[in-house]
Amino acid sequence: NIVMTQSPKSMSISVGDRVTMNCKASQNVGNNIAWYQQKPGQSPKLLIYYASNRYTGVPDRFTGGGYGTDFTLTINSVQAEDAAFYYCQRIYNSPTFGAGTKLELK
Amino acid sequence: EVQLVESGGGLVQPGRSLKLSCAASGFTFSNYYMAWVRQAPTKGLEWVAYISTGGGSTYYRDSVKGRFTISRDNAKSTLYLQMDSLRSEDTATYYCTTGREWFAYWGQGTLVTVSS
Repeated sequence: NIVMTQSPKSMSISVGDRVTMNCKASQNVGNNIAWYQQKPGQSPKLLIYYASNRYTGVPDRFTGGGYGTDFTLTINSVQAEDAAFYYCQRIYNSPTFGAGTKLELK
Repeated sequence: EVQLVESGGGLVQPGRSLKLSCAASGFTFSNYYMAWVRQAPTKGLEWVAYISTGGGSTYYRDSVKGRFTISRDNAKSTLYLQMDSLRSEDTATYYCTTGREWFAYWGQGTLVTVSS
């Protein structure tokens, strides 16, 4: 079974900063990765699919990248409303989520 | 507007059964694979099962195979999850969601607590 490992577990960022979080797959998954944002008390929201495709309505400050085993989610000019948990997910065949990265605002 | 509304959660004793429902509206339900994803309290997301558009193909995570059954009624635009032989580790909020590859639309979730 493929394991998805996210890092860091948490990060504290100031509004306006640029932040990058990581997701590592235990095997080559090509570009079969999605990213989600989940705010406290809310359902997850799809941000990115196929590693780098921004979902409808997602602000362009969110950018996904990577291929194979190493993936990133970058948020340019972080806004206060971006405080949330972020999860990566391996697409297809027993979809597997990472444990998440918690983004806090200073 | 797409809406997914889950129901059927609650407190249940270990070994007992529970059936969740998800009423869908705002999109052509029969055109979408559907899935259940759960989240234990203060934990991350975990895919549970998904079902093909016509219901003929179903897929489960190993830990629920043989205990959970996903089904759908396209005429009623409703997704189901029959959960039997429940265990304490099944305690979670269960979300109904669309898709097979990635999950675009999500319900608000229904909490299932398995405890004596």
